[in-house]
Amino acid sequence: EIVLTQSPGTLSLSPGERATLSCRASQGVSSSYLAWYQQKPGQAPRLLIYGASSRATGIPDRFRGSGSGTDFTLTISRLEPEDFAVYYCQQYGTSLLTFGGGTKVEIK
Amino acid sequence: QITLKESGPTLVKPTQTLTLTCTFSGFSLSASGVGVGWIRQPPGKALEWLSLIYWDDDKRYRPSLKSRLTITKDTSKNQVVLTVTNMDPVDTATYYCAHRRVYGGDCFDYWGQGILVTVSS
Repeated sequence: EIVLTQSPGTLSLSPGERATLSCRASQGVSSSYLAWYQQKPGQAPRLLIYGASSRATGIPDRFRGSGSGTDFTLTISRLEPEDFAVYYCQQYGTSLLTFGGGTKVEIK
Repeated sequence: QITLKESGPTLVKPTQTLTLTCTFSGFSLSASGVGVGWIRQPPGKALEWLSLIYWDDDKRYRPSLKSRLTITKDTSKNQVVLTVTNMDPVDTATYYCAHRRVYGGDCFDYWGQGILVTVSS
């Protein structure tokens, strides 16, 4: 099982600031099969990034995914009020799909 | 437009079997590359993948829960059913069904609203 460790657990930032979220895998994620999701309270997750760096349909370009192997990053260039949420990474390079523990981006 | 919606009981007793139905529209589960997965989320906790069924009836299960899970599809009704046997309070969670992103691996681009299932006597 590939374990995904997200850091930090909570990120306290102000609107307009840059957010950098980390997702580290316990072993290499093949073919960069790494996705990022955003989840707001009471809502289902929303796919932001797939293939480590490709934005899903309708996702603004302030969201950028990068990385390969065991280290992946989600960067939000300038936080908008609607971006404060919990973010999860997911690997799908193996038949056992796994999610990270999440990073909460909260308003400072 | 792709939509999915979960239905089933919101309260089950310990040892009972949970049956959840995902009813979807906007795609066909007989089309190549299509799949529907189930993911759950205990209150205040992270997401946990449970199962995935593909257009060709291939099925995947979370190994630690494999003996308790069964996933099936009914393409004529546009439904996917997940059964979980021997429910326990630790299975209390919101259960989501989700559409597998076609031609890109097993990530999920459309999700249902989720259904909160509580296990309690």
